[in-house]
Amino acid sequence: EVQLVESGGGLVQPGRSLRLSCAASGFTFDDYAMHWVRQAPGKGLEWVSGISWNSGSIGYADSVKGRFTISRDNAKNSLYLQMNSLRAEDTALYYCAKDPSPGGFVNYYFDYWGQGTLVTVSS
Amino acid sequence: QSALTQPASVSGSPGQSITISCTGTSSDVGGYNYVSWYQQHPGKAPKLMIYDVSNRPSGVSNRFSGSKSGNTASLTISGLQAEDEADYYCSSYTSNSTPYVFGTGTKVTVL
Repeated sequence: EVQLVESGGGLVQPGRSLRLSCAASGFTFDDYAMHWVRQAPGKGLEWVSGISWNSGSIGYADSVKGRFTISRDNAKNSLYLQMNSLRAEDTALYYCAKDPSPGGFVNYYFDYWGQGTLVTVSS
Repeated sequence: QSALTQPASVSGSPGQSITISCTGTSSDVGGYNYVSWYQQHPGKAPKLMIYDVSNRPSGVSNRFSGSKSGNTASLTISGLQAEDEADYYCSSYTSNSTPYVFGTGTKVTVL
């Protein structure tokens, strides 16, 4: 059974940093691209970032480019999101999501999602 | 990148069929067969219901079907059931700088 468990969320002041983690199990993690998708309270979904199986291809939403860094450790079956210079508009539930096909960004959808970790940016 | 446009709410009685639209542009919905649909119950993670316009993942009821015409994709739920009450989001690949775009979301109410 595929499981994605996010952690690392919390309350942080504007301008500060936070690192999110996603622990994956139930599939061969290092075969698949992975993504972060967020959802502001009461709002819709927004793709944040994605990383290919070998970290060779990485993409970011314009809204976080230059502030967020995605990475992965295939030996630890883990995905990360380093968030710097946080803003109030980054307040959201951050989901870790799995790409459906082995390799890079070939199929543009997400077949499994974690339960999310809440990030609140406020002074 | 603007979100894809969905109706805010759609409702129907048990057993009826409803259709949710998802309108984009030729840079996203109209240009590629990479439309997907997600169901989200309150407090839960999204669940994939349809991918590549009209394909259903294993385990998803065949009461859910997807289609596309021009710049508008649609999700139809037939034989509406109480458990179908949830928020639904479409998504598409886009040739813009951010490769994934979601819809504004539709709340489905079973009367």
